[in-house]
Amino acid sequence: RKEVEQDPGPFNVPEGATVAFNCTYSNSASQSFFWYRQDCRKEPKLLMSVYSSGNEDGRFTAQLNRASQYISLLIRDSKLSDSATYLCVVSTSGTYKYIFGTGTRLKVLA
Amino acid sequence: GAGVSQSPSNKVTEKGKDVELRCDPISGHTALYWYRQSLGQGLEFLIYFQGNSAPDKSGLPSDRFSAERTGGSVSTLTIQRTQQEDSAVYLCASTGGGMNTEAFFGQGTRLTVV
Repeated sequence: RKEVEQDPGPFNVPEGATVAFNCTYSNSASQSFFWYRQDCRKEPKLLMSVYSSGNEDGRFTAQLNRASQYISLLIRDSKLSDSATYLCVVSTSGTYKYIFGTGTRLKVLA
Repeated sequence: GAGVSQSPSNKVTEKGKDVELRCDPISGHTALYWYRQSLGQGLEFLIYFQGNSAPDKSGLPSDRFSAERTGGSVSTLTIQRTQQEDSAVYLCASTGGGMNTEAFFGQGTRLTVV
């Protein structure tokens, strides 16, 4: 089983739609969680960290479910510019090793 | 520099040759990571450094791959006797080393083995 798993998509959604992605992780000792965004042929960039209590940044909401070992990303009111690959990242306590999922492709359609 | 710098940005090499990829992290960043990304695929972890030591080398695909970091700064990833399956984008990232810290990526080195 992979340490971090994501549905590769693509998720094709119309502008204005709400879309959610999940990411599961296998190591219960995982401590830090992030969502990164990667545009085509570009390097990944941090979208947001994921905190235990959940956190929101504008149209983006991240949640952590430790019991079921998954994190989620919700995007409301999708924009064309949200089209990208979204990577979930997990780090295990004491190692600082950042493990990336394979990413979920999102296409927002006009 | 202001960000993570990688060189070269593109490298075409013949099968069997050795290549050396360089990463210059953000000044003061203690942790440095190497990943590999094949076309349309996710990031494959290769190795990471905390200072000059590499606590985890488990992702290196074979003994043809090696990496070192000197002075807690620049790192080089060396691939010996390159094979066509080594063709990919090699990405380097650095962080301040604490938990919940953002990893900043370089723009990568696109390696093509012909």
